[in-house]
Amino acid sequence: KAGVTQTPRYLIKTRGQQVTLSCSPISGHRSVSWYQQTPGQGLQFLFEYFSETQRNKGNFPGRFSGRQFSNSRSEMNVSTLELGDSALYLCASSSRDETDTQYFGPGTRLTVL
Amino acid sequence: AQKVTQAQTEISVVEKEDVTLDCVYETRDTTYYLFWYKQPPSGELVFLIRRNSFDEQNEISGRYSWNFQKSTSSFNFTITASQVVDSAVYFCALSEAQGNDYKLSFGAGTTVTVRA
Repeated sequence: KAGVTQTPRYLIKTRGQQVTLSCSPISGHRSVSWYQQTPGQGLQFLFEYFSETQRNKGNFPGRFSGRQFSNSRSEMNVSTLELGDSALYLCASSSRDETDTQYFGPGTRLTVL
Repeated sequence: AQKVTQAQTEISVVEKEDVTLDCVYETRDTTYYLFWYKQPPSGELVFLIRRNSFDEQNEISGRYSWNFQKSTSSFNFTITASQVVDSAVYFCALSEAQGNDYKLSFGAGTTVTVRA
């Protein structure tokens, strides 16, 4: 099976802009989770989508949003970018069964100038 | 409160030495899952091992082994006969299976450098 794919791999934006990141899960996986990784805060959970519904949300401002499509692909949007949003954004997919192992994509490196 | 603590920030070893990574977790759940992930310089988190809270049997998988002890809330991970390709950041993570909460709580990571 193909792994989790994320596009784009790298992004450079300026403050105030918005950005959309995309994630395609492993075939058959219906759960997609997003994480932010920064040197200062480490890996932090953003949100999880399952069957097109947000099931869980981390402690991030409303500027961070997401959605999931019927084919389980997910997008994450960050509006009104701030310098502190510069990070590696990782997407993970799982089958949400009893094993619940999350498999991660290569990430999108976002730089906000 | 930090749910997963990795006290070791960095470990440097010479090739073929064993490396043990410490992980201490905190949870009130009776059902939970523990993971180890590896993050090489490319950035992708690679799944290594998983253990559920009901199974304290320690195992060996190739050069990897782990020691899960509920009594001390520890989930340590060992790489035997380390190789240069093992150089990466290693993360311990906790998933508390309560309700719909499937998020992973990660430790701060331990950077392992294996020198030739």
